[in-house]
Amino acid sequence: DAKTTQPPSMDCAEGRAANLPCNHSTISGNEYVYWYRQIHSQGPQYIIHGLKNNETNEMASLIITEDRKSSTLILPHATLRDTAVYYCIVRAGGGADGLTFGKGTHLIIQP
Amino acid sequence: GAVVSQHPSWVICKSGTSVKIECRSLDFQATTMFWYRQFPKQSLMLMATSNEGSKATYEQGVEKDKFLINHASLTLSTLTVTSAHPEDSSFYICSALGRGEKLFFGSGTQLSVL
Repeated sequence: DAKTTQPPSMDCAEGRAANLPCNHSTISGNEYVYWYRQIHSQGPQYIIHGLKNNETNEMASLIITEDRKSSTLILPHATLRDTAVYYCIVRAGGGADGLTFGKGTHLIIQP
Repeated sequence: GAVVSQHPSWVICKSGTSVKIECRSLDFQATTMFWYRQFPKQSLMLMATSNEGSKATYEQGVEKDKFLINHASLTLSTLTVTSAHPEDSSFYICSALGRGEKLFFGSGTQLSVL
């Protein structure tokens, strides 16, 4: 079973910031939070991951709460091409396990 | 970034035939690769973990004799769907474990069994 909870769908206006929440209240101390997205009929694309500090890269920012029980993925200036299913996944560091995907959030960017 | 190439992108076959899907890590070596299956409007389901030079580990409910996995080199894993039937029609996706503990995914293979 997936260890995360995400809203099934969200809308966001083009050009605005998209904030995608994720709850992972049972996360363990050695588990990272990963975000991937899947555009229709394609393989998942890595976005960002973090352990406890906030992270930022060219695609997005990841904000993790101090208790690590939830996080938010931020797409600062959403475009129509950001329409996809976004998956929040927790995974132990240092391991060689595959990712367990939940149902994700279907983000729809509106023109 | 790391690239995983999956081939073919789509395949149509007759019931009872076998289909081979290839997954290659193009610019890194992957001792571990994973195979997923995705039905329409559903999430990805892990089928098996493939380790170079050893037998694959299958998830519960996945028939190892039906879904043959070979990971003969550090850059290539193959999935063969044997004696395919219409219920095997699905989107198959491979991924490879790269540097920084990130998983990189192929573009997927849409299998349609007639």
